[in-house]
Amino acid sequence: DIQMTQSPSSLSASVGDRVTITCRASQSISNFLNWYQQKPGKPPKLLIFSASNLQSGVPSRFSGSGSGTDFTLTISSLQPEDLATYYCQQSYATPRTFGHGTKVDLK
Amino acid sequence: QVQLQESGPGLVKPSGTLSLTCAVSGDSISRSTWWSWVRQPPGKGLEWLGEIFHTGTAYYNPSLGSRVIMSVDKSKNQFSLKLTSVTAADTAVYYCSKWYDTWGQGTLVTVSS
Repeated sequence: DIQMTQSPSSLSASVGDRVTITCRASQSISNFLNWYQQKPGKPPKLLIFSASNLQSGVPSRFSGSGSGTDFTLTISSLQPEDLATYYCQQSYATPRTFGHGTKVDLK
Repeated sequence: QVQLQESGPGLVKPSGTLSLTCAVSGDSISRSTWWSWVRQPPGKGLEWLGEIFHTGTAYYNPSLGSRVIMSVDKSKNQFSLKLTSVTAADTAVYYCSKWYDTWGQGTLVTVSS
């Protein structure tokens, strides 16, 4: 199985801050990487697909980059509604493994 | 607009079989995409269970061994998950998804006697 390692596991930031979350794959996955946002009691919401493509309807303050084994999700200016847990997932091979999540809360 | 809705028993006895259905509306299950199941134990992260194409081709998480079966019912525009020999470790919110861009709201399944 391809292991997905996310860091940090949690972070505290202020409204307006730039937030960066990283995800590392245990082997090259090209650009087959999705990012999700999940709020309590809700299903995951796809933010970014194929490493850097913004899903329709997602605010442009979210961006993704990377290829191979190292990937980054960036929130350019954190908003109160962005408080959530973020997950990466590789779609390169089955099983389509997820990272363990990064919880973002307010400082 | 595609909508997915999970349904099934919220309580399953240990050693029993968990059976869930995902009803698809606003789209045909026969379109060229994969339909998947993901679960989330209370307070924990996401676990991919498997995905199925409308032809019946399916891929499962090896961690589930031979306990998992997925199927498609084109006549009802829905797909299903069966997980046998369940234990308390299978207690989770179960989500169905259309290629990860559309998700159901999730259904909590508790394994308990």
